[in-house]
Amino acid sequence: EIVMTQSPATLSVSPGERATLSCRASQSVSSSLAWYQQKPGQAPRLLIYDASTRATGIPARFSGSGSGTEFTLTISGLQSVDFAVYYCQQYNSWPPGYTFGQGTKLEIK
Amino acid sequence: EVQLVESGGGLVQPGGSLRLSCVASGFTFSNYWMSWVRQAPGKGLEWVANIKQDGSEKYYVDSVKGRFTISRDNAKSSLYLQMISLRAEDTAVYYCARDVGYCIGGSCYSPWGQGTLVTVSS
Repeated sequence: EIVMTQSPATLSVSPGERATLSCRASQSVSSSLAWYQQKPGQAPRLLIYDASTRATGIPARFSGSGSGTEFTLTISGLQSVDFAVYYCQQYNSWPPGYTFGQGTKLEIK
Repeated sequence: EVQLVESGGGLVQPGGSLRLSCVASGFTFSNYWMSWVRQAPGKGLEWVANIKQDGSEKYYVDSVKGRFTISRDNAKSSLYLQMISLRAEDTAVYYCARDVGYCIGGSCYSPWGQGTLVTVSS
């Protein structure tokens, strides 16, 4: 099973600044990597797929990069609505199943 | 509007059973793989099971094999998860999620339902 490790666990950033979240895979997942945003009490929302493609309706301030084992989600010009938990998910290795990272909590500094 | 609405969660004793349902609207349900993903309280996301468009293929995470059964009724645009022999570690919010179908190499999910809470406790 591919293990996804996200860092840091918590990231404190001021509104208007840029946030950089990392996700590492225990083995190569090529570009089969998605990012999700989850706010308290809500379901996850797909932000990025195929490592760098924004999902429909996602603002341009969200960008994804990387391939193989190292991936980054960058949020530029942070807005109050962006403070949430972010998860990465690999979908390259099957079976036993697609795996998620443990999440990064983005909080207001 | 594309929407998924789960129901059927609740409090159940260890060893008990529960059946979750998810009703889809706003899209052609029969065209998509569907999944259940769970989230234990305060924890991350764990894929649980998925099912092909016609129900001919089903897959499960190892920890639920033999205890959970995923099924669908395309005429009713509905997805189900039958859970038996429930354990405390199955306590979680269970989300149904649609495989978008265009993620290269596998499955990514959008949208997700609002989730239904399953609590296994005596």
